[in-house]
Amino acid sequence: EAGVAQSPRYKIIEKRQSVAFWCNPISGHATLYWYQQILGQGPKLLIQFQNNGVVDDSQLPKDRFSAERLKGVDSTLKIQPAKLEDSAVYLCASSAGRTSGNTIYFGEGSWLTVV
Amino acid sequence: DAKTTQPNSMESNEEEPVHLPCNHSTISGTDYIHWYRQLPSQGPEYVIHGLTSNVNNRMASLAIAEDRKSSTLILHRATLRDAAVYYCILRGWNSGNTPLVFGKGTRLSVIA
Repeated sequence: EAGVAQSPRYKIIEKRQSVAFWCNPISGHATLYWYQQILGQGPKLLIQFQNNGVVDDSQLPKDRFSAERLKGVDSTLKIQPAKLEDSAVYLCASSAGRTSGNTIYFGEGSWLTVV
Repeated sequence: DAKTTQPNSMESNEEEPVHLPCNHSTISGTDYIHWYRQLPSQGPEYVIHGLTSNVNNRMASLAIAEDRKSSTLILHRATLRDAAVYYCILRGWNSGNTPLVFGKGTRLSVIA
């Protein structure tokens, strides 16, 4: 079974530029998450989708971050304009979400450096 | 989700057992205890979870205290590939698709 795919793996941009990350979840997984992980910290949820609807985006800095999952499968996370503090790993994860204790599967992450 | 407390770091010799502790004194009766780990340059991966009874799988064992206020993840023979950050996370029984809430976890170093 293919895992969660993310691209690009690494990205370096200057502050005030824009960047987009792409995620393809495991086939059939209705729930998709985007996390931000700053060096030395645990991942922090940015946004959660159920199919193509947003479940929770309370921690997404909406003045500069946006995310979409138009057809309920792939998702993109965009940052515009980027700030230095956005340097982090952006992790996409998915789950079938049907039962309690269900496993959440993570991609390898997209590493962003803002200079 | 209730809070968990883990040591910041631990060290183990290769091929020796490792016991990673987690305190969760405010756990509710319907909270499951989950463990995930994050290898270097990888996303987190599921290790094991349990409710009340001890659990075993091919990766590890989970020992849960009788009062459920603490638990221990046991790696029976640590290998260099087990060097990772280990996260102990509580999830409600009806958590279905609710997200994982991560703390800082325990960074495990394995010495050859």
